[in-house]
Amino acid sequence: GENVEQHPSTLSVQEGDSAVIKCTYSDSASNYFPWYKQELGKGPQLIIDIRSNVGEKKDQRIAVTLNKTAKHFSLHITETQPEDSAVYFCAAHISGNTPLVFGKGTRLSVIA
Amino acid sequence: ETGVTQSPTHLIKTRGQQVTLRCSSQSGHNTVSWYQQALGQGPQFIFQYYREEENGRGNFPPRFSGLQFPNYSSELNVNALELDDSALYLCASSLTTGTYEQYFGPGTRLTVT
Repeated sequence: GENVEQHPSTLSVQEGDSAVIKCTYSDSASNYFPWYKQELGKGPQLIIDIRSNVGEKKDQRIAVTLNKTAKHFSLHITETQPEDSAVYFCAAHISGNTPLVFGKGTRLSVIA
Repeated sequence: ETGVTQSPTHLIKTRGQQVTLRCSSQSGHNTVSWYQQALGQGPQFIFQYYREEENGRGNFPPRFSGLQFPNYSSELNVNALELDDSALYLCASSLTTGTYEQYFGPGTRLTVT
């Protein structure tokens, strides 16, 4: 089955700097890659996603890139703010009828 | 906020007991998936319900069971609770089976003592 590896497990950045979180997946049939942000005491919130026919997608300060050949995808957050501090999860999805497979998460701390 | 609600927020049970967790999906969504999130881990898929039928199951024993109702709300039942069942239980709704985007509720924190 699909396996998703996520790195780093923790990341500290200064406010205003950029943060990058990387994930690799094992099943080349995966074609949908969402990113979730989970704040303390809350459920995961979908923040951005990308499908396998697209190489990059941006939404304001957040961007995701996908390299299908290497089977890895990354989340980029620019101009980080303290409210970006949370645990971020990547996931991979083969089709709508199969479950999301999550990475183990990255705890991002933005230091003011 | 996603519009997915779960109840209760927190629950404490004793080993061997049974528990029922509830989820109301986002308006217009007919598919509900349940996930277990252990501390410090990513969510793990338990099962999915579509049109009141189980539509896929992860690597969880039969003592984890579920229901979906005609209004698309759902229940997760766990029998014979074990200490390792202590986790955050999340439900996620999607527009229909076959669509990719899943929207999570706030979860129910279950503690088994």
